[in-house]
Amino acid sequence: DQQVKQNSPSLSVQEGRISILNCDYTNSMFDYFLWYKKYPAEGPTFLISISSIKDKNEDGRFTVFLNKSAKHLSLHIVPSQPGDSAVYFCAASEGDSNYQLIWGAGTKLIIKP
Amino acid sequence: NAGVTQTPKFQVLKTGQSMTLQCAQDMNHNSMYWYRQDPGMGLRLIYYSASEGTTDKGEVPNGYNVSRLNKREFSLRLESAAPSQTSVYFCASSEAGRPNSPLHFGNGTRLTVT
Repeated sequence: DQQVKQNSPSLSVQEGRISILNCDYTNSMFDYFLWYKKYPAEGPTFLISISSIKDKNEDGRFTVFLNKSAKHLSLHIVPSQPGDSAVYFCAASEGDSNYQLIWGAGTKLIIKP
Repeated sequence: NAGVTQTPKFQVLKTGQSMTLQCAQDMNHNSMYWYRQDPGMGLRLIYYSASEGTTDKGEVPNGYNVSRLNKREFSLRLESAAPSQTSVYFCASSEAGRPNSPLHFGNGTRLTVT
């Protein structure tokens, strides 16, 4: 039973447009959410996070939105650039521990020139 | 700054063979982790070490053992490899064990067990 789901295995977006990556979760006790980015043959790297007490967090071109009632998380990238082509993972945590991070299966984002 | 270094990058084992995956971090982080990544699934935690001298089981510990050799190094051992252990293995570290202390990952070890 996957507690964190990324229902789109892949997404293709034109360079300069907005990329929206989605993540749904089932556990209402999750209180911290993170997005990681992964290039081929490399490990994931941290991108942005959000606490459940907020509904939005911005960092440059990246914004994460949290809708607790819908148990839905989204990552917006504006504008999308070729270097954004990667696999994006969302992860969720219940409680104050990295040891209970639950990961989604990832969405492969392809930015078309 | 090397960050998290994993060796080897690739390995092929026969069923029943043993091997140790090595991991070292140079960021003076307290917590270290071993994950596996399988197609169509999220990362799954095998073992973690909250601090030097401690290790604990994660979500999928069966068939594995770990050693936190010192603050820098955290190794993962497969005593008797099985085809189900074919996967990509990632080591990670974080300054603390809280979710707002992001994980720093190595580049992975791709293991095939035949």
